[in-house]
Amino acid sequence: EVQLLESGGAFVRPGGSLRLSCVASGFTFSTYAMSWVRQAPGKGLEWVSAISGSGGSTYYTDSVKGRFTISRDNSKNTLYLQMNSLRAEDTAVYYCARERDSSGYFDDWGQGTLVTVSS
Amino acid sequence: IVLTQSPGTLSLSPGERATLSCRASQTISNNNLAWYQQKPGQAPRLLIYGASSRATGIPARFSGSGSGTDFTLTISRLEPEDFAVYYCQQYGSSPLSFGQGTKVEIK
Repeated sequence: EVQLLESGGAFVRPGGSLRLSCVASGFTFSTYAMSWVRQAPGKGLEWVSAISGSGGSTYYTDSVKGRFTISRDNSKNTLYLQMNSLRAEDTAVYYCARERDSSGYFDDWGQGTLVTVSS
Repeated sequence: IVLTQSPGTLSLSPGERATLSCRASQTISNNNLAWYQQKPGQAPRLLIYGASSRATGIPARFSGSGSGTDFTLTISRLEPEDFAVYYCQQYGSSPLSFGQGTKVEIK
C-alpha cells in the first residue's frame, strides 16, 4: 500500500523559514517524480513544485521561485520542501503527491501538513 | 493554462445524474486532463486521467469525456458518498494548473 506522510508544518512569522518532509513507503520511491501541491484555507488546489525521480530536474510555480527549494533523498524515501522568506499568502495545507508515470497527474496523495504564516 | 469549472455548486439528489464542466483557456495537449474528488478534511483522490480513463478502483458511474478545451465529468447516478468537491487539472503544459472546483451538494 502506498503511503505518503508529510510533516514539518507549523506557525511561522512572515520572512521565516520551514522545511517540510514527506516520507514515502509502499513503492519504489526513486522511480517516481513527486510534487508539492498546496491548498489555502477554503480555497482550491495549487501546484507548487515538482522533482524528477533522480532529483536532477526541478520545477516551480512562479510565486515561489527563488524562495522554495524542492529536493529528495532516495536513500531515505523522503521528499523535502525548503521554504524561505515565507509570506502570508503561503498559508496553506501542503500535500505531497506522487506523479503517475512522471506524467503530471497525481495518483496518490499524503494527508497534508498545515503551514500558517502570520504576524 | 487557466481552467474554469462550472457550475460552482451543483445541488442534486442521490440517484440523479451530475454533469461537471471544465473549460481551458487554450488547447490541452494530448487530452492531458485529470479529475479529482475531495471530501472535507481529506486529500484529493484521482478519479480520471487522460480525460476519460478511470483510475484504479474508481466506480464505473464516474466517466470523463471531452477534448481540446472542453471537458466533462459525469456521475451517472449519485451515491451518498459522491457529494464532495471536484477539481479538474491539466498536465499538458507547464505550469500544471487546477480548476477552482465544483461542489456537488445534496439538494
